[in-house]
Amino acid sequence: EDQVTQSPEALRLQEGESSSLNCSYTVSGLRGLFWYRQDPGKGPEFLFTLYSAGEEKEKERLKATLTKKESFLHITAPKPEDSATYLCAVQANQAGTALIFGKGTTLSVSS
Amino acid sequence: GAVVSQHPSRVICKSGTSVKIECRSLDFQATTMFWYRQFPKQSLMLMATSNEGSKATYEQGVEKDKFLINHASLTLSTLTVTSAHPEDSSFYICLAGGPGNIQYFGAGTRLSVL
Repeated sequence: EDQVTQSPEALRLQEGESSSLNCSYTVSGLRGLFWYRQDPGKGPEFLFTLYSAGEEKEKERLKATLTKKESFLHITAPKPEDSATYLCAVQANQAGTALIFGKGTTLSVSS
Repeated sequence: GAVVSQHPSRVICKSGTSVKIECRSLDFQATTMFWYRQFPKQSLMLMATSNEGSKATYEQGVEKDKFLINHASLTLSTLTVTSAHPEDSSFYICLAGGPGNIQYFGAGTRLSVL
């Protein structure tokens, strides 16, 4: 069964304190791994898609990496506006199949 | 990024009434539309998958007669919650899949059934 586990469940950081969020997955043939950001009461906002082990993508203070078993979302020098829930999802086998989501990591950054 | 418009953003209805939620992909053709629901502090749970012009495929435990999905065009999909009850209160979100495996969410609909 395809499964996604995110850790930690919640993370509190001081502004400027870098850290990483983990997404471990088991899937029958990875088509893609997706990261989204979700603010309370809103739909998730697309961040990255990773397709193969070793791939890395960056956007502002965020960098996503992928191995055969897990993905990390690295946050460098976070700011309070980075506070949100970060969701990881995997897509199995082929394009067009549904994304399976983890429960998310809720990040709080205080100034 | 691509834009997916979902409305209404919030709806309050009486028990027994039906509610229709629309999702439109504004700048790409959504060949596949996924409908999810999300309970507080829970993961997004897939309800159904629909391809344009085809009947939706429902996940186990999701009543197809209660959650009617229509995907009549490449830019519009609707979810109708029929005879809504308080236990149907939740956050419903569409995810539109398009060319190049892009996957963009709508803003979500908060349904409250009294």
